[in-house]
Amino acid sequence: DSGVTQTPKHLITATGQRVTLRCSPRSGDLSVYWYQQSLDQGLQFLIQYYNGEERAKGNILERFSAQQFPDLHSELNLSSLELGDSALYFCASSVGGPQETQYFGPGTRLLVL
Amino acid sequence: GESVGLHLPTLSVQEGDNSIINCAYSNSASDYFIWYKQESGKGPQFIIDIRSNMDKRQGQRVTVLLNKTVKHLSLQIAATQPGDSAVYFCAENRRIIQGAQKLVFGQGTRLTINP
Repeated sequence: DSGVTQTPKHLITATGQRVTLRCSPRSGDLSVYWYQQSLDQGLQFLIQYYNGEERAKGNILERFSAQQFPDLHSELNLSSLELGDSALYFCASSVGGPQETQYFGPGTRLLVL
Repeated sequence: GESVGLHLPTLSVQEGDNSIINCAYSNSASDYFIWYKQESGKGPQFIIDIRSNMDKRQGQRVTVLLNKTVKHLSLQIAATQPGDSAVYFCAENRRIIQGAQKLVFGQGTRLTINP
């Protein structure tokens, strides 16, 4: 157990809908990262937050957004969902330094029908 | 483009033997590398890491080697066990801007331990 929690574990929804994925980092970690894992793209970085502020963006679509709250938990919002958004979404956390290990949660499996 | 690649997508090893998983990275400025293990239905699990000021680091039954000259990483697993069967990813910690970094993952190698 990494100490990072994610909910829900599974999510099934329809195209055009909006969903929210939730992540709680390890105790003491200030940075939260979101990654998407799909069969054709592998594990791809989406976005990083540090202590409530957005730090970096990766391959995140404009339909996707995220935030980190004062209690450091984070939410990833996916809207106008398309079939191609079906994937595993992982949250990771770290203390926040440049060479700090990122610890991953169990992921949310999203299926868009 | 950015890439951290693996030489072999699958690897089968007899239980008790040693295994070696290889990885090539592209960014010579990267200074931190991590190996993760991912079992079916689970998130990537940290195995071992190495910083660029080191050539070798050992853990329990695992060793990571870093060759910066050819931008190559390897993960050695000694005395493999059935529980070692999983997909293994190397990841390069790449700095984006001050205070921001991301992991760039390889495609993964599926390791199967045969009884």
